[in-house]
Amino acid sequence: GAVVSQHPSRVICKSGTSVKIECRSLDFQATTMFWYRQFPKQSLMLMATSNEGSKATYEQGVEKDKFLINHASLTLSTLTVTSAHPEDSSFYICSAGSSGTANTEAFFGQGTRLTVV
Amino acid sequence: SQKIEQNSEALNIQEGKTATLTCNYTNYSPAYLQWYRQDPGRGPVFLLLIRENEKEKRKERLKVTFDTTLKQSLFHITASQPADSATYLCALGSAGNNRKLIWGLGTSLAVNP
Repeated sequence: GAVVSQHPSRVICKSGTSVKIECRSLDFQATTMFWYRQFPKQSLMLMATSNEGSKATYEQGVEKDKFLINHASLTLSTLTVTSAHPEDSSFYICSAGSSGTANTEAFFGQGTRLTVV
Repeated sequence: SQKIEQNSEALNIQEGKTATLTCNYTNYSPAYLQWYRQDPGRGPVFLLLIRENEKEKRKERLKVTFDTTLKQSLFHITASQPADSATYLCALGSAGNNRKLIWGLGTSLAVNP
């Protein structure tokens, strides 16, 4: 299957600082990337969908000014958590899809464990 | 609102037995359903996809059934091994090209040697 690389795998930051998470598709062109957040023992919660070259579509309740998403190329999308607070501590996961046949599986990154202290 | 329910409690089985996990949904008509495996601290890994017009799909020791009348999918792992221990997630997708999935909470499976 396709490979999606997410970096960093773990990050600890101070409250009020910003953190950038990168998601790269290594062997295919990702026209669409999804960003999820997962709290312990909870399901994946979709935060936003980004299409290359256009603005991301955020899910209801997700602050677009706090969670900045950039999908400037077909192989890279970034999520920046701005002015992070302890309640932003969570497991963030990206997934990528390519154009073409719909309804195919999602390829996920390894996830990023964010801890805000 | 759309709702997905998976076995709420962890499933413990003996090595070699068949594990059966359940995914039920309401207020939704998915075009397809997927099963993923998630290990602690890792992203989900795709296992199987089954479409609304398919009844059953198999892949090695895995089998998925899809009953759109009952609004239920069953996920079976035959000849289970301790390495199969993980959380298994079901996800539903609609027709169209947006690839947006609705996720269940997952079922934790422990296979005891």
